[in-house]
Amino acid sequence: AQSVTQLGSHVSVSEGALVLLRCNYSSSVPPYLFWYVQYPNQGLQLLLKYTTGATLVKGINGFEAEFKKSETSFHLTKPSAHMSDAAEYFCAVSNTDKLIFGTGTRLQVFP
Amino acid sequence: DTAVSQTPKYLVTQMGNDKSIKCEQNLGHDTMYWYKQDSKKFLKIMFSYNNKELIINETVPNRFSPKSPDKAHLNLHINSLELGDSAVYFCASSLATGTGAYEQYFGPGTRLTVT
Repeated sequence: AQSVTQLGSHVSVSEGALVLLRCNYSSSVPPYLFWYVQYPNQGLQLLLKYTTGATLVKGINGFEAEFKKSETSFHLTKPSAHMSDAAEYFCAVSNTDKLIFGTGTRLQVFP
Repeated sequence: DTAVSQTPKYLVTQMGNDKSIKCEQNLGHDTMYWYKQDSKKFLKIMFSYNNKELIINETVPNRFSPKSPDKAHLNLHINSLELGDSAVYFCASSLATGTGAYEQYFGPGTRLTVT
């Protein structure tokens, strides 16, 4: 069975600081990995995804994530946080039609 | 044009009532989904349909019945609503089915409150 663990339900950073949101997965087969962002009272928007190929994946809004098979991780980073990045971030894994989501990490950005 | 739309956005109703949520996608996708997000923001799949055929039916009470009149629409009907049904329900769609490689596009959600 697949699962996702997001370490840290809340992460706070200052504007301009590095953002690091952690995601570890468990999968018996090569996984497809996704990061979604949810702004308040909105649906989920895809930030980036890893399927095959290059392990460093670039997404929208300056975010990127690196697939590390040896560490079963897919951490999300952004070099410089912006106030507009404040949202809930979800990591998800899939190898069929089901997206299995982590419990989410709320990112707060302070001025 | 909205890619995945849901109606209504908010739904407040009393225990025991029956209600429906509608979802439409204009992306030309073959597969549609319903997810439930609870009060702790945890998201879990409920159902998926591929071209009107039920593919995934998670352990959801049979008071929940999805219906797909065509591949652009997936509705969710809930009978005998209970307090525990209060949640945000998201509809999503993806290009195809089978591998999990295709990203899913989510609607804005329907916040259901059962009193």
